[in-house]
Amino acid sequence: NAGVMQNPRHLVRRRGQEARLRCSPMKGHSHVYWYRQLPEEGLKFMVYLQKENIIDESGMPKERFSAEFPKEGPSILRIQQVVRGDSAAYFCASSSGFGEKLFFGSGTQLSVL
Amino acid sequence: KNEVEQSPQNLTAQEGEFITINCSYSVGISALHWLQQHPGGGIVSLFMLSSGKKKHGRLIATINIQEKHSSLHITASHPRDSAVYICAVRSGGSQGNLIFGKGTKLSVKP
Repeated sequence: NAGVMQNPRHLVRRRGQEARLRCSPMKGHSHVYWYRQLPEEGLKFMVYLQKENIIDESGMPKERFSAEFPKEGPSILRIQQVVRGDSAAYFCASSSGFGEKLFFGSGTQLSVL
Repeated sequence: KNEVEQSPQNLTAQEGEFITINCSYSVGISALHWLQQHPGGGIVSLFMLSSGKKKHGRLIATINIQEKHSSLHITASHPRDSAVYICAVRSGGSQGNLIFGKGTKLSVKP
């Protein structure tokens, strides 16, 4: 019973490129959450998705960032035209329903050169 | 001032010591989480609580809603407990929309 799977583990991009981060939730989980951890800072909520729906994107930057969780396949966090300030660890978590415990992935470390 | 404050920021203990990490928050909450982040970066959810006390093995979490305060206790600490412990609260937002503390870095020496 695999846990939350994130890939890639490390991603290097040059300024202006696109970054795609993937998250496969635990089996049976339909709720996915993305968080960002900037260097020397705490975690920050970005977005909450259920299958095919964005429930809460109040933590997402207004530009360049988007997220989806299609009916089939993993959730994707997409960052267009990356800048150095996007360098951070991005964590995904999943849960089975309302009020349930969160299960976290190992994170994707994004480095923008 | 941060909405979620943890203390201490850093904590060094000897193996076997009883450890307490504190979390204070300034907003109304519906739930409080304690998370453990390993040196490699992975995050594990330890507890989710909205009242009272929970225990799992050597870990105990308590919350006092009136005082807006929670504590995480580790009994008989061990070097493998070395990690960053993070308090996070859900305050009126959607599920998963958490406000995180900056974490307490715990180092347990053998």
